[in-house]
Amino acid sequence: QKEVEQNSGPLSVPEGAIASLNCTYSDRVSQSFFWYRQYSGKSPELIMSIYSNGDKEDGRFTAQLNKASQYVSLLIRDSQPSDSATYLCAVNPGGGNNDMRFGAGTRLTVKP
Amino acid sequence: NAGVTQTPKFQVLKTGQSMTLQCAQDMNHNSMYWYRQDPGMGLRLIYYSASEGTTDKGEVPNGYNVSRLNKREFSLRLESAAPSQTSVYFCASSELRAAPYEQYFGPGTRLTVT
Repeated sequence: QKEVEQNSGPLSVPEGAIASLNCTYSDRVSQSFFWYRQYSGKSPELIMSIYSNGDKEDGRFTAQLNKASQYVSLLIRDSQPSDSATYLCAVNPGGGNNDMRFGAGTRLTVKP
Repeated sequence: NAGVTQTPKFQVLKTGQSMTLQCAQDMNHNSMYWYRQDPGMGLRLIYYSASEGTTDKGEVPNGYNVSRLNKREFSLRLESAAPSQTSVYFCASSELRAAPYEQYFGPGTRLTVT
């Protein structure tokens, strides 16, 4: 089992819809969780971080964390064609540990 | 404030050649990282430096060496390049003294080894 698993997609949604991206992780002691957006040929760009159970909202983005289920998700409301990218889930055990682990990413396409 | 910068952006090497990838950050972060990204594999950690003067192996260190030159700069060296090292290399930095330990990435170096 991979440490951080994501559906590779592609996930296709129409413009204006809600895109839901999911991630599961295997290390129960993980403390910090991140979503990065990566456009083709570009570097990963941090869009959300979360480390408490529940929801965290930032504009059109909502991160959801459930540590008991070892599950983190990203919701993108009112999806735009400019949201078309690969979304990487990352997990860090925290406590000064440098060992960030990344999922392989989910490719999202938002169709006009 | 440039964030994390990397040089070069592109490089083609022949098998057996050596090169050094350079990385610098101006965010006063203590920790720096080198990753490689291959299709379908996600980002894999090669080496990291938790603070100036320290370096540690990551998930895929074989064939690489690193130097933390000072707080700002962290270089990655390929002593004898192999085709398996064809990849996109990203440098990142973070501040680990307090949560949530976010990492910020440079623009990447696309390396092809023939």
